[in-house]
Amino acid sequence: AQSVTQLDSQVPVFEEAPVELRCNYSSSVSVYLFWYVQYPNQGLQLLLKYLSGSTLVKGINGFEAEFNKSQTSFHLRKPSVHISDTAEYFCAVSGMNFNKFYFGSGTKLNVKP
Amino acid sequence: DAGVTQSPTHLIKTRGQHVTLRCSPISGHKSVSWYQQVLGQGPQFIFQYYEKEERGRGNFPDRFSARQFPNYSSELNVNALLLGDSALYLCASSPGTGGRGGTDTQYFGPGTRLTVL
Repeated sequence: AQSVTQLDSQVPVFEEAPVELRCNYSSSVSVYLFWYVQYPNQGLQLLLKYLSGSTLVKGINGFEAEFNKSQTSFHLRKPSVHISDTAEYFCAVSGMNFNKFYFGSGTKLNVKP
Repeated sequence: DAGVTQSPTHLIKTRGQHVTLRCSPISGHKSVSWYQQVLGQGPQFIFQYYEKEERGRGNFPDRFSARQFPNYSSELNVNALLLGDSALYLCASSPGTGGRGGTDTQYFGPGTRLTVL
């Protein structure tokens, strides 16, 4: 089985500052990794995903993430955040044979003016 | 194209009652998964269906059941509701690979907010 740990439950940051949201996973097999964003009272929207190939993955809204197999991490970054990035961000892992996703507990990003 | 749709958007039930939640996947998607998201937590996997067959089940009691129809839409049923069943229930669809390797990106609906009193 897989599991995901999001190390920060809340991250406050000022507008236009860089941000990193941390995600570590645990798995005995190869995995696929995802970041989703959830705005208040809405479902989850896919930001980006790592399936194979380049370890640096670019997603929507200027976000990117780097897969680090040796550290079992998949941290999400953005060089300059906007007020509109305020939301909750979930890291998720899936094994290669099933569509069962394991989600972390989420990180609330609060962008201040 | 329409995204994943779920109905109803909100629902209030009392303890002991039964509830049915519905999900329509993105056109062309053959796989549907259900998740429970309790306030302040990440989504927890309940079921996954592909081509009307159950492909995966999370750690939920038998009070939870689901099925998928020939048009790939799905229902989640919960019997004997408990206060702890209050949550946002999310449905996600994916193209489906028949379980033969590869994984499908899951696209989520807006959810059904269930309140059990």
